[in-house]
Amino acid sequence: DQQVKQNSPSLSVQEGRISILNCDYTNSMFDYFLWYKKYPAEGPTFLISISSIKDKNEDGRFTVFLNKSAKHLSLHIVPSQPGDSAVYFCAASELTGANNLFFGTGTRLTVIP
Amino acid sequence: EPEVTQTPSHQVTQMGQEVILRCVPISNHLYFYWYRQILGQKVEFLVSFYNNEISEKSEIFDDQFSVERPDGSNFTLKIRSTKLEDSAMYFCASSDYTDTQYFGPGTRLTVL
Repeated sequence: DQQVKQNSPSLSVQEGRISILNCDYTNSMFDYFLWYKKYPAEGPTFLISISSIKDKNEDGRFTVFLNKSAKHLSLHIVPSQPGDSAVYFCAASELTGANNLFFGTGTRLTVIP
Repeated sequence: EPEVTQTPSHQVTQMGQEVILRCVPISNHLYFYWYRQILGQKVEFLVSFYNNEISEKSEIFDDQFSVERPDGSNFTLKIRSTKLEDSAMYFCASSDYTDTQYFGPGTRLTVL
């Protein structure tokens, strides 16, 4: 089951610079997308979401971009801070009621002070 | 800020034993979920629950698994006869009508 893919297992960025995390999906029925942040031994923490009727959603330092034709989404963090260091998961669902999430494998972001 | 809570944080059990993992979802949420993450693998959906019944379940959620909302606040996952391969982090999540799921801190299940 590879419906949601995060091809970069890790990313290192200097503090203050932009972090760009990428996610691809294969199921054209997905219409709701989320990014979660996860620290070791904790549950995923919701960051930001986007529905398929939009191509961009912004919340503070976090912006998610959705390219439906390419089945690609990305999370931009500007400026990156050391506290952003964590594993980032993208997830997707069909808005059919139950909305079970399909997760990617995660990208470990390290922000270097 | 309301949050999902889970108990215990770590459960160790012998193969073949029954375990019950407990969750208290966010109080005004209507949809409840269980996910698991085997070490080194992705987070996987197990089951969703709405209006006191299962909405959807994955292939993983076989007859050894069951869920229950025994009262107005708790949501439980029972594994009837644990196997070694059930060792994983189990996450409970809940959502209201907005489709954003909020996760608990997880229970680490170790089956020996």
